[in-house]
Amino acid sequence: EDQVTQSPEALRLQEGESSSLNCSYTVSGLRGLFWYRQDPGKGPEFLFTLYSAGEEKEKERLKATLTKKESFLHITAPKPEDSATYLCAVSVYNQGGKLIFGQGTELSVKP
Amino acid sequence: ETGVTQTPRHLVMGMTNKKSLKCEQHLGHNAMYWYKQSAKKPLELMFVYSLEERVENNSVPSRFSPECPNSSHLFLHLHTLQPEDSALYLCASSPKLPGLAGPSSYNEQFFGPGTRLTVL
Repeated sequence: EDQVTQSPEALRLQEGESSSLNCSYTVSGLRGLFWYRQDPGKGPEFLFTLYSAGEEKEKERLKATLTKKESFLHITAPKPEDSATYLCAVSVYNQGGKLIFGQGTELSVKP
Repeated sequence: ETGVTQTPRHLVMGMTNKKSLKCEQHLGHNAMYWYKQSAKKPLELMFVYSLEERVENNSVPSRFSPECPNSSHLFLHLHTLQPEDSALYLCASSPKLPGLAGPSSYNEQFFGPGTRLTVL
């Protein structure tokens, strides 16, 4: 069964304290891995798509990487406005448009 | 309006009521989705439409009835709901459905702000 697991469930950082969020996946054939940011009471906001192992993408203080088993979202020198829930999802071949989501990591950055 | 919009943003209904959720996308996409998000659970895909044709119904109870009159609009009709149906209902769109082996870029989904539904 295709599965996505994110860790940790919650992460508290001080402003400027860099860290990483993990997304582990077990799927039959990975077509793509997606990272989203979700603020309370809002819909998920698209951040990145990663297609193959070794690929990296960056946006401001965020950098996403992908291996054959997992993806990391590295946050460098975070600021309070980076506080949100970060969601990981995978698209699998032979499953059409379906995205399989992890349960998310709730990030809190204190000043 | 830009992106994906949803109305209403909040809805409180009794178990015997009938209501509808509306979604509109202004991105020129051909695929639209309904998701349910409950507290501390992963997003659950409910329905998928491609060019107004339903292509997936993810074992959703019949008290939820989707409608897609054109590629820009998506509705979710609700009737005889249960308290456990209380959740955030999210609409999303993507350029296309990637099909069995198409590129993943087709499946970059853009979400609306959601409707917070409370069933009393």
